[in-house]
Amino acid sequence: EVQLVQSGAEVKKPGESLKISCKGSGYSFTSYWIGWVRQMPGKGLEWMGIIYPGDSDTRYSPSFQGQVTISADKSISTAYLQWSSLKASDTAMYYCARPSAMVREFDYWGQGTLVTVSS
Amino acid sequence: QSALTQPASVSGSPGQSITISCTGTSSDVGGYNYVSWYQQHPGKAPKLMIYEVSNRPSGVSNRFSGSKSGNTASLTISGLQAEDEADYYCSSYTSSSTLLNWVFGGGTKLTVL
Repeated sequence: EVQLVQSGAEVKKPGESLKISCKGSGYSFTSYWIGWVRQMPGKGLEWMGIIYPGDSDTRYSPSFQGQVTISADKSISTAYLQWSSLKASDTAMYYCARPSAMVREFDYWGQGTLVTVSS
Repeated sequence: QSALTQPASVSGSPGQSITISCTGTSSDVGGYNYVSWYQQHPGKAPKLMIYEVSNRPSGVSNRFSGSKSGNTASLTISGLQAEDEADYYCSSYTSSSTLLNWVFGGGTKLTVL
């Protein structure tokens, strides 16, 4: 069974750094891309970027380029999303999601990680 | 890129059919047959309901169907049930210099009366 299990909720202050994780299981982690999707409170879904753990090829949405860093550690089947300096506007639910083999839609999703940034 | 345009809300009574539209451009919805639809219940992760415009993943009820005409895709839910009440998002793969790119709609809240 394919599963994406994300790290727990985080409460941080503006300016702090953060790295959240998404562990894949039940499939070949290095053979599928993993993407990240933001959902701000009461708002819709926004695609942030995607990584291919097999060779760490990473693509970012223009809206998020330079704002976050996506990485992966294939030895532990885990993808990461990180910030170097959080802002209050980063407060959101963040989902990891695995595209299908054709890489056109996201057929498996993590449970989400709530990030709250507040002074 | 701009988000795809969906109605903010739709409603219907049990047993009825409803349709949710998703309007994009020739660079996304109109240019590719890679429109997908997601259902999201409150506090839950999105769930894939339709992919490649009109295909249903295994386990998704055949009450859900998708179509596309020009730059507008549609999700139809027939025989509405209380459990269908949720937010629905469309998405389209798009072409860009990054080669892999997705855009989502703003979401539609479905209320089952």
